[in-house]
Amino acid sequence: AQTVTQSQPEMSVQEAETVTLSCTYDTSESDYYLFWYKQPPSRQMILVIRQEAYKQQNATENRFSVNFQKAAKSFSLKISDSQLGDAAMYFCAYRSGRVQGAQKLVFGQGTRLTINP
Amino acid sequence: ETGVTQTPRHLVMGMTNKKSLKCEQHLGHNAMYWYKQSAKKPLELMFVYSLEERVENNSVPSRFSPECPNSSHLFLHLHTLQPEDSALYLCASSQDTRQTFNEKLFFGSGTQLSVL
Repeated sequence: AQTVTQSQPEMSVQEAETVTLSCTYDTSESDYYLFWYKQPPSRQMILVIRQEAYKQQNATENRFSVNFQKAAKSFSLKISDSQLGDAAMYFCAYRSGRVQGAQKLVFGQGTRLTINP
Repeated sequence: ETGVTQTPRHLVMGMTNKKSLKCEQHLGHNAMYWYKQSAKKPLELMFVYSLEERVENNSVPSRFSPECPNSSHLFLHLHTLQPEDSALYLCASSQDTRQTFNEKLFFGSGTQLSVL
């Protein structure tokens, strides 16, 4: 079974600075997808960014980018120019590429990100 | 307004009570999910419904009973729960397009359940 590990329960960063959240995963599959979700105090999980495993190019969405290291099974999230609204729990998630249909995600434990003004 | 609405937002129940959690999605999706979020644990997938048919039941105890009467509504019926069942229960939906990468989960804000 696949597992996702986020080794940083909490992180903090100064506003406008850059922070990197770590994620590693364990799988024997070659075809899969990786995601970062954000859960603000409103509790609603929101997709931040996603990556297809077969793509070598790292995904980027505005201030959010990933460092995908397939051989190392690492998928870190970099937030540039941190803003107060970025404060939230961040979850890394894995989805098998073998299974079509419903999105069955495996999540990590989450990292709580605090932004200091 | 969120596309996925969950009610109630908070629920306190005794171990002998019967209650139900409700989820409604306004996005025209054909798949719905229940996830359990406990403190300091990863989100756990409980149930998946695709086209109103249950396609996943991740060894969830029978005191949790899901119901999906149509593609827009999902319920989680609760009966004789234990204190360790206290958690945030999140509902999500997605559109199964068979183009996996384009699919995206949309979550509700959850029901915070406390079992006394």
